[in-house]
Amino acid sequence: EVQLVESGGGVVRPGGSLRLSCAASGFRFDDYGMTWVRQAPGKGLEWVSGVNWSGGSTAYADSVKGRFTISRDNVKNSMHLQMNSLRAEDTALYYCTRNSRLGELSPLDYWGQGTLVTVSS
Amino acid sequence: EIVLTQSPGTLSLSPGDRATLSCRASQSVSSQSVSNYLAWYQQKPGQAPRLLIHGAGSRATGIPDRISGSGSGTDFTLTISRLEPEDFAVYYCQQYGSSPPTFGHGTKVEIK
Repeated sequence: EVQLVESGGGVVRPGGSLRLSCAASGFRFDDYGMTWVRQAPGKGLEWVSGVNWSGGSTAYADSVKGRFTISRDNVKNSMHLQMNSLRAEDTALYYCTRNSRLGELSPLDYWGQGTLVTVSS
Repeated sequence: EIVLTQSPGTLSLSPGDRATLSCRASQSVSSQSVSNYLAWYQQKPGQAPRLLIHGAGSRATGIPDRISGSGSGTDFTLTISRLEPEDFAVYYCQQYGSSPPTFGHGTKVEIK
């Protein structure tokens, strides 16, 4: 059974940093791209960042480019999102998702339950 | 980036009705090899989204055949032929052919 479990969310002040993690199990991790998607309270889905199977190709939404860094560890079957210079508008539930193929440009076929990030003074 | 516009914002229907949801892209999300890089997701309150359709018309694993997708280029449709109680939810389209991938703002299908 595919499982994606996020961790690392919490309350942080504007300008602060957080590191989100996603632990994956139930599938061969390095056969798939991985992606972070977020959802602000009461709002729609926003694609945040994606990484291909090897970690050699990454992509970011313009809203987070230069502030967030995605990475993966194919030995530990995990993905991470380092978030710096956080802003109030980054407040959201962050979902870890699996791409259906090797690349980060593919449908998202499995989703975790999300970890909540709140940026507030 | 490609902007996806979903309509209507809210659809008020009864169980057994047919639901037709639209997703229009600001530029083509199809390739010359006739691949359509368009997916649909369903999200129920308090739950993570679930993949319904990929490639504009291919059902994901376990999705019932009353749910179907169609379209190409810039105009796409999700159709639910006969609404079941579990189909009342929010539906999002997503294009994944051009970086960054983008989502539409969603269509809520509510009970009339």
